[in-house]
Amino acid sequence: QKEVEQNSGPLSVPEGAIASLNCTYSDRGSQSFFWYRQYSGKSPELIMFIYSNGDKEDGRFTAQLNKASQYVSLLIRDSQPSDSATYLCAVRFTFSGSARQLTFGSGTQLTVLP
Amino acid sequence: EADIYQTPRYLVIGTGKKITLECSQTMGHDKMYWYQQDPGMELHLIHYSYGVNSTEKGDLSSESTVSRIRTEHFPLTLESARPSHTSQYLCASSGPGEAQHFGDGTRLSIL
Repeated sequence: QKEVEQNSGPLSVPEGAIASLNCTYSDRGSQSFFWYRQYSGKSPELIMFIYSNGDKEDGRFTAQLNKASQYVSLLIRDSQPSDSATYLCAVRFTFSGSARQLTFGSGTQLTVLP
Repeated sequence: EADIYQTPRYLVIGTGKKITLECSQTMGHDKMYWYQQDPGMELHLIHYSYGVNSTEKGDLSSESTVSRIRTEHFPLTLESARPSHTSQYLCASSGPGEAQHFGDGTRLSIL
């Protein structure tokens, strides 16, 4: 069982719709959660991080965290074709050690249709 | 925004050559990481460092080696390149905030 699970997709939404990306994780004690966007052929780019239960909004992006249910989600409002990319969920587990390395999910590929 | 630089961006080289991929960051981050990623596939951590003279192997076994003599510099070396080493190599760093910031990557192709 993977430690960070994401729907592999691909997920397609029409332009202007809300895209919902989900991620579950295995370590109940995890404290730090990150969402990255990766365009094809490019490196991952940090778009959101969240540490506390609830919602965190940044522009068209909202991260939602529910530690009791061990899931974190990313909502993209008013989706644009430029949002088409693979979205990676990353979690810092409690046993990650001094380097505080992150565990990445395999990513969800999102396509926003014009 | 973190400034992290990788060179070369692309490298095509023959089997058996020694290769060093460079990674430097100007943010003073103490933690640095190397990932390997094949096209359309997930990230795999191959090496990490939490400070000068500290390096550890990651989750994915790799024939590469790393060194961390200076805070800003974290090079990765392949002593004898093979076609199975063909991949994209991504370097990242993080400071107190834990978020990792990635360089543009090196696309390595071994003939």
